[in-house]
Amino acid sequence: GENVEQHPSTLSVQEGDSAVIKCTYSDSASNYFPWYKQELGKRPQLIIDIRSNVGEKKDQRIAVTLNKTAKHFSLHITETQPEDSAVYFCAATYTGTASKLTFGTGTRLQVTL
Amino acid sequence: GAGVSQSPSNKVTEKGKDVELRCDPISGHTALYWYRQSLGQGLEFLIYFQGNSAPDKSGLPSDRFSAERTGGSVSTLTIQRTQQEDSAVYLCASSLPGRYQPQHFGDGTRLSIL
Repeated sequence: GENVEQHPSTLSVQEGDSAVIKCTYSDSASNYFPWYKQELGKRPQLIIDIRSNVGEKKDQRIAVTLNKTAKHFSLHITETQPEDSAVYFCAATYTGTASKLTFGTGTRLQVTL
Repeated sequence: GAGVSQSPSNKVTEKGKDVELRCDPISGHTALYWYRQSLGQGLEFLIYFQGNSAPDKSGLPSDRFSAERTGGSVSTLTIQRTQQEDSAVYLCASSLPGRYQPQHFGDGTRLSIL
């Protein structure tokens, strides 16, 4: 089955700096890679996703890159703000009519003033 | 519109008791997933339902765990003879049918086994 590793487990950046979170996956058949943000005590919220036929996707201050050959994908947050502080999870799956996600173990991002 | 709704939000029970957790998906979402999140950990897949197809139960950790989905909508996850290691947040997600559909999560049920 799929296995997803995520690094780092914690990340502290100053407001305005960039943050990068990296994930690797094991199953070359995986073709869909979402990222979720989970604030303390809240539900995971999808923030961005990427399909395997795309190398990069951007949405305002958030971008995701995918390297299928190396089986790596990364989340980039620019101009970080205190409200970006949360736990971020990457996930991978092969999508069919429904898709069970395999999640990384999460990265706790703290944005300090 | 309404999101994924889960109940109860918190459940405290004694070891050995049975518990039922409920999930009401977003209207029109034919795919429904259960995940488990242990303290400080990632999300672990348990089971999913897609329309009228047989559910994928490959993530259920033991035969004490079961789930059903009635009428293609509401789902119930049942844990029999609960153990302390069952303590976790149980999250439900739903999605539209088809490829690349994002999963939308509920707030979860925090289960504590004494």
